[in-house]
Amino acid sequence: EVQLLESGGGLVQPGGSLRLSCAASGFTFSSYAMSWLRQAPGKGLEWVSTISGSGDNTFFADSVKGRFTISRDNSKNTLYLQMSSLRAEDTAVYYCAKNQVNIWGSPHDYWGQGTLVTVSS
Amino acid sequence: QPVLTQSSSASASLGSSVKLTCTLSSGHSRYIIAWHQQQPGKAPRFLMNLEGGGSYSKGSGVPDRFSGSSSGADRSLTISNLQFEDEADYYCETWDINTQVFGGGTKLTVL
Repeated sequence: EVQLLESGGGLVQPGGSLRLSCAASGFTFSSYAMSWLRQAPGKGLEWVSTISGSGDNTFFADSVKGRFTISRDNSKNTLYLQMSSLRAEDTAVYYCAKNQVNIWGSPHDYWGQGTLVTVSS
Repeated sequence: QPVLTQSSSASASLGSSVKLTCTLSSGHSRYIIAWHQQQPGKAPRFLMNLEGGGSYSKGSGVPDRFSGSSSGADRSLTISNLQFEDEADYYCETWDINTQVFGGGTKLTVL
């Protein structure tokens, strides 16, 4: 059974930093691209970033480019999102999700339960 | 990049059928999409991939009541024999070079 478990969310001040983690199990982690997506309170889903199975290729939404970094440790089956220069508009539930292919070009077929990030003074 | 358009809300009676539609923007009518369900207070759940020709492949454990169809730029999700647990937000998703795109979501109410 595929399981994705996010952690690391919390309250952070504007301009601050936070690192999210996602522990994966139930599939060959290194064979699939992985993504972070988010959902602001009462709003729809928004893609944030994707990393290829090897970690060699990364992709970012324009809204986070230059502020967020995505990485993975395939030896630990763990995905990360390093967020810096956080803004109020980054407040959202952040979801880790599995892609259906190794590099790029597919929807997501498994989602974690989400972790809430609140950016506020 | 593609834009996905969904109606903001839909409603149907318990035990009936409902068809939710996601429309691809001009020039993107051949794109594959996915449907996701998000029940209140829960994480999204993948339902199916849906191709332009109407072929679809469902995720693990998705009931037979859920099916997909396509017509031109429209990608539709049909839910038969509606249950109260089907009351949820439904999102479509697709991708292009360097971006993933979601529709605005349809809130389904089961009466």
